Amino acid sequence: QVQLQESGPGLVKPSETLFLTCTVSGGSISEYYWNWIRQPAGKGLEWIGRIYSSGSTNYSPSLKSRVTMSVDTSKNQFSLKLSSVTAADTAVYYCARGRGLDYFDYWGQGTLVTVSS
Amino acid sequence: DIQMTQSPSSLSASVRDRVTITCRASQSIANYLNWYQQKPGKAPKLLIYAASSLQSGVPSRFSGSGSGTDFTLTISSLQPEDFATYYCQQSFSIPDTFGQGTKLEIK
Repeated sequence: QVQLQESGPGLVKPSETLFLTCTVSGGSISEYYWNWIRQPAGKGLEWIGRIYSSGSTNYSPSLKSRVTMSVDTSKNQFSLKLSSVTAADTAVYYCARGRGLDYFDYWGQGTLVTVSS
Repeated sequence: DIQMTQSPSSLSASVRDRVTITCRASQSIANYLNWYQQKPGKAPKLLIYAASSLQSGVPSRFSGSGSGTDFTLTISSLQPEDFATYYCQQSFSIPDTFGQGTKLEIK
């Protein structure tokens, strides 16, 4: 059974960079798309972007200037960097496996990131 | 971006009721439409992909239909564990976008 686990700081200061890692277990990271999705408290879901195991990426245009994703196949991990964060970036961040470019079939439990001084 | 609009935003229903949730896309998305269920404090769970395909392990009381711009998720006989928030998602074009959610509550 594939499992995903997000990790990273729960508190980030405004204007700094958010950095999260997702560790995949129970399956290979190869030949899949890996996604980041976030959800502010009490609100809906926002797709941030995806990275293929080869390293190719797609980002949401609204966040593209601040987002960088990377993958480490040797560790079965992929990562998210979001720069110049503000309070509007406070959310639960999920990592999720993508089946092709279509749907998300496995999700991490989510990690809350709060942007505050 | 393609806008996804769900209706209703909230819904009260009883166990064994038949429930339908609608999702409308701002442009045609063929059948690139997926449905998720989310319970409080949990990650979303995939129910339906490609508009009408049931994800493995999901009970058959869940079904999806539609193509183009109009889609529906139907729960044929509500069970207590089905009270949750439901989201549709389009994967036709980047960025993937979600509906605002439909909260299904116990009447």
